[in-house]
Amino acid sequence: DIQMTQSPSSLSASVGDRVTITCQASQDITIYLNWYQQKPGKAPKLLIYDASNLEAGVPSRFGGSGSGTDFTFTISSLQPEDIATYYCQQYDDLPYTFGQGTKLELK
Amino acid sequence: QVQVVESGGGLVKPGRSLRLSCAASGFTFSDYYMTWIRQAPGKGLEWISSISGKSTYTKYADSVKGRFTISRDNAKKSMFLQMNSLRAEDTAVYYCARVRGLAILDYWGQGTLVTVSS
Repeated sequence: DIQMTQSPSSLSASVGDRVTITCQASQDITIYLNWYQQKPGKAPKLLIYDASNLEAGVPSRFGGSGSGTDFTFTISSLQPEDIATYYCQQYDDLPYTFGQGTKLELK
Repeated sequence: QVQVVESGGGLVKPGRSLRLSCAASGFTFSDYYMTWIRQAPGKGLEWISSISGKSTYTKYADSVKGRFTISRDNAKKSMFLQMNSLRAEDTAVYYCARVRGLAILDYWGQGTLVTVSS
Protein backbone atom coordinates (compact mmCIF):
# COMPACT_ATOMS: atom_id res chain seq x y z
CA ASP A 1 0.00 0.00 0.00
CA ILE A 2 1.11 3.58 -0.64
CA GLN A 3 1.70 5.39 2.64
CA MET A 4 0.82 9.07 2.87
CA THR A 5 2.64 11.05 5.53
CA GLN A 6 1.19 14.44 6.38
CA SER A 7 2.91 17.08 8.45
CA PRO A 8 2.39 18.66 10.78
CA SER A 9 -0.29 16.62 12.54
CA SER A 10 -1.55 19.81 14.19
CA LEU A 11 -1.01 23.47 13.56
CA SER A 12 -1.94 26.65 15.37
CA ALA A 13 -2.15 29.84 13.33
CA SER A 14 -3.69 33.32 13.44
CA VAL A 15 -6.27 34.87 11.14
CA GLY A 16 -4.46 36.20 8.08
CA ASP A 17 -1.52 33.81 8.38
CA ARG A 18 -0.21 31.77 5.48
CA VAL A 19 -0.61 28.09 6.34
CA THR A 20 1.28 25.24 4.69
CA ILE A 21 0.71 21.50 5.05
CA THR A 22 2.85 18.88 3.38
CA CYS A 23 2.04 15.37 2.25
CA GLN A 24 4.66 12.83 1.24
CA ALA A 25 3.88 9.63 -0.61
CA SER A 26 5.90 6.46 -0.11
CA GLN A 27 6.24 6.11 -3.89
CA ASP A 28 5.73 8.18 -7.02
CA ILE A 29 2.03 9.01 -7.45
CA THR A 30 2.52 11.59 -10.26
CA ILE A 31 -0.27 14.10 -9.63
CA TYR A 32 -2.90 11.69 -8.34
CA LEU A 33 -3.48 13.53 -5.09
CA ASN A 34 -6.51 15.26 -3.62
CA TRP A 35 -6.98 17.47 -0.55
CA TYR A 36 -10.08 17.48 1.64
CA GLN A 37 -11.32 19.65 4.48
CA GLN A 38 -13.32 18.15 7.33
CA LYS A 39 -15.04 20.21 9.98
CA PRO A 40 -16.10 18.57 13.28
CA GLY A 41 -19.13 16.34 12.85
CA LYS A 42 -19.25 16.94 9.10
CA ALA A 43 -18.33 15.01 5.99
CA PRO A 44 -15.07 15.77 4.20
CA LYS A 45 -15.23 18.33 1.41
CA LEU A 46 -13.08 18.23 -1.72
CA LEU A 47 -10.87 21.31 -2.06
CA ILE A 48 -8.05 20.40 -4.47
CA TYR A 49 -7.86 17.61 -7.04
CA ASP A 50 -5.00 16.36 -9.20
CA ALA A 51 -2.54 18.02 -6.83
CA SER A 52 -3.16 21.61 -7.90
CA ASN A 53 -6.65 22.09 -9.32
CA LEU A 54 -9.09 24.10 -7.26
CA GLU A 55 -12.52 22.51 -7.02
CA ALA A 56 -15.36 24.70 -8.28
CA GLY A 57 -16.74 26.99 -5.61
CA VAL A 58 -13.72 26.72 -3.34
CA PRO A 59 -12.16 30.05 -2.34
CA SER A 60 -8.98 30.98 -4.17
CA ARG A 61 -7.01 31.31 -0.91
CA PHE A 62 -6.70 27.51 -1.02
CA GLY A 63 -4.03 26.03 -3.25
CA GLY A 64 -2.00 22.92 -3.92
CA SER A 65 1.23 22.01 -5.64
CA GLY A 66 3.64 19.17 -6.14
CA SER A 67 4.12 15.97 -8.08
CA GLY A 68 5.82 12.65 -7.64
CA THR A 69 6.18 12.10 -3.91
CA ASP A 70 6.05 15.59 -2.38
CA PHE A 71 2.98 17.78 -2.20
CA THR A 72 2.01 21.02 -0.51
CA PHE A 73 -1.36 22.46 0.50
CA THR A 74 -1.55 26.18 1.23
CA ILE A 75 -4.03 28.60 2.67
CA SER A 76 -2.77 32.03 1.66
CA SER A 77 -4.63 34.00 4.34
CA LEU A 78 -6.28 31.97 7.10
CA GLN A 79 -9.92 32.74 7.83
CA PRO A 80 -11.86 31.66 10.95
CA GLU A 81 -14.05 29.35 8.85
CA ASP A 82 -10.96 27.43 7.73
CA ILE A 83 -10.57 25.81 11.14
CA ALA A 84 -10.83 22.10 10.34
CA THR A 85 -8.82 18.96 9.77
CA TYR A 86 -7.23 18.58 6.35
CA TYR A 87 -6.46 15.28 4.62
CA CYS A 88 -4.51 14.36 1.52
CA GLN A 89 -5.54 11.29 -0.50
CA GLN A 90 -3.65 9.43 -3.19
CA TYR A 91 -5.37 7.60 -6.01
CA ASP A 92 -2.44 6.39 -8.04
CA ASP A 93 -3.09 2.84 -6.85
CA LEU A 94 -5.54 0.82 -4.79
CA PRO A 95 -6.12 0.89 -1.94
CA TYR A 96 -6.69 4.62 -2.08
CA THR A 97 -5.00 5.94 1.04
CA PHE A 98 -5.27 9.10 3.09
CA GLY A 99 -2.80 11.01 5.16
CA GLN A 100 -3.38 10.95 8.91
CA GLY A 101 -4.76 14.48 8.86
CA THR A 102 -3.64 17.93 9.97
CA LYS A 103 -5.76 19.62 12.61
CA LEU A 104 -5.71 23.36 12.13
CA GLU A 105 -6.52 25.54 15.13
CA LEU A 106 -6.71 29.27 15.73
CA LYS A 107 -3.96 30.82 17.81
CA GLN B 1 -28.24 19.65 -6.85
CA VAL B 2 -26.07 16.60 -6.26
CA GLN B 3 -26.89 14.80 -3.06
CA VAL B 4 -25.99 11.47 -1.50
CA VAL B 5 -27.59 10.29 1.71
CA GLU B 6 -26.56 7.27 3.76
CA SER B 7 -28.82 5.21 5.99
CA GLY B 8 -28.88 1.90 7.81
CA GLY B 9 -26.33 2.40 10.55
CA GLY B 10 -26.88 1.37 14.14
CA LEU B 11 -25.73 -0.79 17.03
CA VAL B 12 -24.98 -4.40 16.16
CA LYS B 13 -23.35 -7.27 18.03
CA PRO B 14 -20.02 -8.75 16.90
CA GLY B 15 -20.47 -11.42 14.25
CA ARG B 16 -23.80 -10.05 13.07
CA SER B 17 -24.69 -8.32 9.80
CA LEU B 18 -25.84 -4.89 8.70
CA ARG B 19 -26.75 -3.35 5.35
CA LEU B 20 -26.03 0.27 4.57
CA SER B 21 -27.75 2.22 1.82
CA CYS B 22 -26.76 5.33 -0.08
CA ALA B 23 -29.46 7.21 -1.99
CA ALA B 24 -28.31 9.53 -4.76
CA SER B 25 -30.02 12.39 -6.53
CA GLY B 26 -29.21 15.31 -8.80
CA PHE B 27 -26.98 13.45 -11.27
CA THR B 28 -27.02 10.54 -13.70
CA PHE B 29 -26.23 7.86 -11.15
CA SER B 30 -25.22 5.12 -13.59
CA ASP B 31 -22.51 7.34 -15.10
CA TYR B 32 -20.44 7.38 -11.94
CA TYR B 33 -18.35 5.08 -9.83
CA MET B 34 -19.37 5.24 -6.18
CA THR B 35 -17.37 4.48 -3.10
CA TRP B 36 -17.58 3.84 0.64
CA ILE B 37 -15.18 5.50 3.06
CA ARG B 38 -15.20 5.01 6.80
CA GLN B 39 -13.85 6.91 9.79
CA ALA B 40 -13.39 5.27 13.17
CA PRO B 41 -14.11 7.52 16.18
CA GLY B 42 -11.38 10.15 16.47
CA LYS B 43 -9.41 8.61 13.61
CA GLY B 44 -8.64 9.32 9.97
CA LEU B 45 -10.31 8.29 6.74
CA GLU B 46 -10.16 4.79 5.29
CA TRP B 47 -11.26 3.80 1.78
CA ILE B 48 -13.08 0.47 1.94
CA SER B 49 -14.82 -0.21 -1.37
CA SER B 50 -15.70 1.11 -4.84
CA ILE B 51 -18.10 0.05 -7.57
CA SER B 52 -18.29 1.05 -11.23
CA GLY B 53 -21.33 2.56 -12.86
CA LYS B 54 -22.65 -0.70 -14.29
CA SER B 55 -21.39 -2.85 -11.38
CA THR B 56 -18.84 -4.62 -13.58
CA TYR B 57 -15.96 -3.52 -11.37
CA THR B 58 -15.80 -3.79 -7.59
CA LYS B 59 -12.81 -3.39 -5.31
CA TYR B 60 -12.29 -3.80 -1.58
CA ALA B 61 -9.77 -2.93 1.08
CA ASP B 62 -8.07 -5.96 2.60
CA SER B 63 -9.64 -5.09 5.96
CA VAL B 64 -13.14 -5.89 4.66
CA LYS B 65 -12.53 -8.28 1.75
CA GLY B 66 -14.61 -11.42 2.08
CA ARG B 67 -16.90 -9.85 4.69
CA PHE B 68 -18.36 -6.80 2.96
CA THR B 69 -20.13 -6.67 -0.41
CA ILE B 70 -20.77 -3.51 -2.39
CA SER B 71 -23.65 -3.33 -4.86
CA ARG B 72 -25.89 -0.82 -6.56
CA ASP B 73 -29.33 -0.52 -8.15
CA ASN B 74 -29.18 2.11 -10.87
CA ALA B 75 -32.95 2.08 -11.38
CA LYS B 76 -33.33 3.14 -7.75
CA LYS B 77 -30.24 5.38 -7.78
CA SER B 78 -28.95 3.58 -4.75
CA MET B 79 -25.77 1.91 -3.57
CA PHE B 80 -25.45 -0.64 -0.79
CA LEU B 81 -22.87 -2.10 1.53
CA GLN B 82 -23.68 -5.51 2.97
CA MET B 83 -21.52 -5.98 6.05
CA ASN B 84 -21.21 -9.48 7.47
CA SER B 85 -19.18 -10.93 10.35
CA LEU B 86 -18.87 -7.50 11.90
CA ARG B 87 -16.05 -6.82 14.34
CA ALA B 88 -15.48 -4.17 16.97
CA GLU B 89 -12.88 -2.58 14.69
CA ASP B 90 -15.58 -1.96 12.07
CA THR B 91 -17.09 0.66 14.38
CA ALA B 92 -17.02 3.88 12.39
CA VAL B 93 -18.97 6.52 10.55
CA TYR B 94 -19.52 5.20 7.04
CA TYR B 95 -19.63 7.73 4.21
CA CYS B 96 -20.71 7.18 0.65
CA ALA B 97 -19.20 9.41 -1.99
CA ARG B 98 -19.53 10.02 -5.69
CA VAL B 99 -16.37 9.40 -7.67
CA ARG B 100 -15.32 11.73 -10.46
CA GLY B 101 -12.59 10.51 -12.78
CA LEU B 102 -10.37 7.85 -11.23
CA ALA B 103 -10.93 8.60 -7.57
CA ILE B 104 -11.81 12.23 -6.96
CA LEU B 105 -14.44 12.08 -4.23
CA ASP B 106 -16.47 15.14 -5.08
CA TYR B 107 -19.72 14.68 -3.18
CA TRP B 108 -20.04 13.02 0.22
CA GLY B 109 -23.02 12.09 2.32
CA GLN B 110 -23.36 13.08 5.94
CA GLY B 111 -22.37 9.61 7.11
CA THR B 112 -24.08 6.87 9.11
CA LEU B 113 -22.65 5.52 12.36
CA VAL B 114 -22.10 1.80 12.78
CA THR B 115 -21.29 0.61 16.28
CA VAL B 116 -20.24 -3.00 16.78
CA SER B 117 -20.46 -3.92 20.43
CA SER B 118 -21.86 -6.62 22.64
